[in-house]
Amino acid sequence: LAKTTQPISMDSYEGQEVNITCSHNNIATNDYITWYQQFPSQGPRFIIQGYKTKVTNEVASLFIPADRKSSTLSLPRVSLSDTAVYYCLVGRQSGGYQKVTFGTGTKLQVIP
Amino acid sequence: ETGVTQTPRHLVMGMTNKKSLKCEQHLGHNAMYWYKQSAKKPLELMFVYSLEERVENNSVPSRFSPECPNSSHLFLHLHTLQPEDSALYLCASSQDSGQGGEQYFGPGTRLTVT
Repeated sequence: LAKTTQPISMDSYEGQEVNITCSHNNIATNDYITWYQQFPSQGPRFIIQGYKTKVTNEVASLFIPADRKSSTLSLPRVSLSDTAVYYCLVGRQSGGYQKVTFGTGTKLQVIP
Repeated sequence: ETGVTQTPRHLVMGMTNKKSLKCEQHLGHNAMYWYKQSAKKPLELMFVYSLEERVENNSVPSRFSPECPNSSHLFLHLHTLQPEDSALYLCASSQDSGQGGEQYFGPGTRLTVT
């Protein structure tokens, strides 16, 4: 599986848009890009997933360029409750389950 | 409510004890996972079961023994653990959709080995 690289930490003020970029240079053709959010002492929670171009849901947008070697998670108008660790994953379905590897994640601190 | 429950939520055990962690998913998924998350470290995949068959074992020490009696339940049996095994143990499940998909995580069991 492709290794992912993302910033270790980011700070943002409340109400701002936050963009977290992840590099995955060795992504394979069958791989999807997925982002999870994790609060302390809780399990990660799925945010968004995409294969190419742009995906948007009620909480975030995911931008994936044509070469798919990077992706950007966009969180609109963050609030204090968005303070968490955000993980970028590259993975695929294989043999009836998902093969993914979690990286170190980006710790987002939202400031009042 | 994620549909994946784990018990107990907290566990303190001595190095000579035997205990078990339980995971239950109510989502009808066909794959279940155990992860370990140590302090300030990324999640480490331990075991994967697909259709009740173990399909991945990522070089986990034998003092951790998984069991998947059916597609809804997953156990992690623990014996003669070491203090460095103290961590948050997370269970997850997913459905084989043939494409992408997501894993649904439980709240975790915070394990402390004394």
